Amino acid sequence: RKEVEQDPGPFNVPEGATVAFNCTYSNSASQSFFWYRQDCRKEPKLLMSVYSSGNEDGRFTAQLNRASQYISLLIRDSKLSDSATYLCVVNRYNDYKLSFGAGTTVTVRA
Amino acid sequence: NAGVTQTPKFQVLKTGQSMTLQCAQDMNHEYMSWYRQDPGMGLRLIHYSVGAGITDQGEVPNGYNVSRSTTEDFPLRLLSAAPSQTSVYFCASSRGQGAGELFFGEGSRLTVL
Repeated sequence: RKEVEQDPGPFNVPEGATVAFNCTYSNSASQSFFWYRQDCRKEPKLLMSVYSSGNEDGRFTAQLNRASQYISLLIRDSKLSDSATYLCVVNRYNDYKLSFGAGTTVTVRA
Repeated sequence: NAGVTQTPKFQVLKTGQSMTLQCAQDMNHEYMSWYRQDPGMGLRLIHYSVGAGITDQGEVPNGYNVSRSTTEDFPLRLLSAAPSQTSVYFCASSRGQGAGELFFGEGSRLTVL
């Protein structure tokens, strides 16, 4: 079983719509969680960290569910510029070895 | 603001050839790492370093060597290229333990024929 699993999508949504997707992780010792964004043929960049209490950054909301071992990302009022692949990243406490999901592709259409 | 710089951006090799992917960062980060990204798979850690003179293996180290003689540089060597090493390679760095934000280079696309 992969350590981090994501629905690859693609999620095809119109501008202004809300899109949400999850990422599950298998290691219950995982402590830190992140969402990275990767544009086509570019390097990944940190979108946001995911905190236990959930957190928002503008139109983006991340949630963590430790009991069910998943994190989620919700994008409100989607923009064309949100089209990208979103990578779920997990690591254990004080461990340099991050585990990356394969990514969820979101395409926002006009 | 250079950040993490990788060279070359593109490379074509023949099976059995060797080469070195260069990575340099100017943020004084202790932690540096190399990942490969293949279609349908997450980034997989090849090797990492927590400081000058210290390196360790990641998830897929076979066929690759690294060294860390300075804080700034972390080259990745392919010893004898194989078609299975065709991939996109990313170098990344961060401040320290627990990772926090990883800063990635722009990637190196390697094709092994």
